[in-house]
Amino acid sequence: NAGVMQNPRHLVRRRGQEARLRCSPMKGHSHVYWYRQLPEEGLKFMVYLQKENIIDESGMPKERFSAEFPKEGPSILRIQQVVRGDSAAYFCASSVRRGPDEAFFGQGTRLTVV
Amino acid sequence: TQLLEQSPQFLSIQEGENLTVYCNSSSVFSSLQWYRQEPGEGPVLLVTVVTGGEVKKLKRLTFQFGDARKDSSLHITAAQPGDTGLYLCAGFSSNTGKLIFGQGTTLQVKP
Repeated sequence: NAGVMQNPRHLVRRRGQEARLRCSPMKGHSHVYWYRQLPEEGLKFMVYLQKENIIDESGMPKERFSAEFPKEGPSILRIQQVVRGDSAAYFCASSVRRGPDEAFFGQGTRLTVV
Repeated sequence: TQLLEQSPQFLSIQEGENLTVYCNSSSVFSSLQWYRQEPGEGPVLLVTVVTGGEVKKLKRLTFQFGDARKDSSLHITAAQPGDTGLYLCAGFSSNTGKLIFGQGTTLQVKP
């Protein structure tokens, strides 16, 4: 497992259901970032986490969205009561530490709300 | 709020032409990174520039970080169809710990 692993790659949910997106960072990386991307657009910052701590969630909607990065296991982005507007690609990235280090991205989870 | 403005947003050129993509901000960044993204995939890091005025070359790609560390450019020489993709610049702030992205430049190189 050399890279950032995200699953599932594709997720279809009906309006009102919950979506859980998982991100396993690269080995040795304790910083995780979640981004959202609409077609042919840049990535919008959502939340920055370290192990067991939310450092910055300024880009995340106040309602229905939550994120965690527990001591053990992957980081989870949870979207409750999904709506059509939540349909997007969600990417996570991990880095070794806070600072001018490269962040490496997973392949993303494409969420479709029907 | 830190913002990165990328231009142009769309670029369609013929194989063999040169092009430059710009990334500008009013904010200073600790470092700036360029990514390339293929459809259906995550962004792949091309280069990181850290020092003001720094120039890095990656084959036919030349990356420059502005002296004030507020802007950057990506120049591609003799573009190839394989260069087609979405190019993203991203600025890293050590103050906030966040990586902020520009809106991307979609490049199409026609054979």
